[in-house]
Amino acid sequence: DTGVSQDPRHKITKRGQNVTFRCDPISEHNRLYWYRQTLGQGPEFLTYFQNEAQLEKSRLLSDRFSAERPKGSFSTLEIQRTEQGDSAMYLCASSLQGPLTPFFGSGTRLTVV
Amino acid sequence: DQQVKQNSPSLSVQEGRISILNCDYTNSMFDYFLWYKKYPAEGPTFLISISSIKDKNEDGRFTVFLNKSAKHLSLHIVPSQPGDSAVYFCAAKEGEGAQKLVFGQGTRLTINP
Repeated sequence: DTGVSQDPRHKITKRGQNVTFRCDPISEHNRLYWYRQTLGQGPEFLTYFQNEAQLEKSRLLSDRFSAERPKGSFSTLEIQRTEQGDSAMYLCASSLQGPLTPFFGSGTRLTVV
Repeated sequence: DQQVKQNSPSLSVQEGRISILNCDYTNSMFDYFLWYKKYPAEGPTFLISISSIKDKNEDGRFTVFLNKSAKHLSLHIVPSQPGDSAVYFCAAKEGEGAQKLVFGQGTRLTINP
């Protein structure tokens, strides 16, 4: 499978716990994005990497959220001290340089109980 | 402030007929628009895009129309097929070099046999 891969597909965690998600982009794509989608809404932009550099962060990305892409390949998104409002689908996407056409993974569904 | 709006949460169309999905936007700085399709438990899949310098783009059964003066775009699917049943999102990008997409809330399209 050469698409964008996300792990895990589902995560249930207790409020206050930390969680980490992983995204493996399409191998030749140098741009990587994280989005969050809640029920009945479209995806909302969280952050963007070009290679290993994090170039843009949304104000939605509070201090409890951190994303990394240490070697310009896979990326991780960590949420510390999870809250019930963090329950959502977290989508990763990647693209090549050029016209913006991100390819999305299947997402990680987070449920905070 | 919802900059991209899809005012129809759902649409039902008979197989073989034309499906028209609509999207309105408020930000006149948007210069590139995309449509994505999403099946349950999958990430959004890119369908078609259009630059603001054009008013129409066609790809097989899918055509996107852009009316900049009305800040309105639409996706036409003809003929509609059962496999087109999905949630459709329009998205927009603001300006040269921007990497953030702003999505609408989505329209659930159901194709009836």
